[in-house]
Amino acid sequence: GQQVMQIPQYQHVQEGEDFTTYCNSSTTLSNIQWYKQRPGGHPVFLIQLVKSGEVKKQKRLTFQFGEAKKNSSLHITATQTTDVGTYFCAGTSNTGGFKTIFGAGTRLFVKA
Amino acid sequence: DTEVTQTPKHLVMGMTNKKSLKCEQHMGHRAMYWYKQKAKKPPELMFVYSYEKLSINESVPSRFSPECPNSSLLNLHLHALQPEDSALYLCASSPSGNMGSPLHFGNGTRLTVT
Repeated sequence: GQQVMQIPQYQHVQEGEDFTTYCNSSTTLSNIQWYKQRPGGHPVFLIQLVKSGEVKKQKRLTFQFGEAKKNSSLHITATQTTDVGTYFCAGTSNTGGFKTIFGAGTRLFVKA
Repeated sequence: DTEVTQTPKHLVMGMTNKKSLKCEQHMGHRAMYWYKQKAKKPPELMFVYSYEKLSINESVPSRFSPECPNSSLLNLHLHALQPEDSALYLCASSPSGNMGSPLHFGNGTRLTVT
């Protein structure tokens, strides 16, 4: 069945350092979404990527969708303490039924 | 702030109790979802309602029973739960009835089964 793998599981950074999380799917995706969940909170939708090779930016966040539509990344430039939380990718595929599968998440810790 | 409202925020119930979780959205979204999230894990899909009809049931045990009274409301009826069912239960909605549409999550109900 469809699997979405996300690495790393955890990342500790010093404030001001950059951060990247990666997602890889076992199947070609229709789209990929990214969510952020603050400690004790709920997932909040950040962005959706649909096109092969697509790159989107939101302030210090850069999202990429691979050419084969099987991988994606989220890069944060110059992290701030407000970036703390867990970042999930969620890929949608029509393999074995049209479903959206969440990656395991990357938990970001930022030290001031 | 979230536009998907879930009640209650916290719930403690015994294994013989019957309780219900409630979810409401007024964004005109056509799909509503129940997810279960254990600590340090991703949300796990349970049910999807599309245009008020159950479209996906991820082989969820019958002790969980969803209900969609109308396009704005979604309930999850709980009966004879097990301690391992303790988790954060998240309701979500999406504009389109199709899977792959961005999800708007509520704050969740933190359920403890004793």
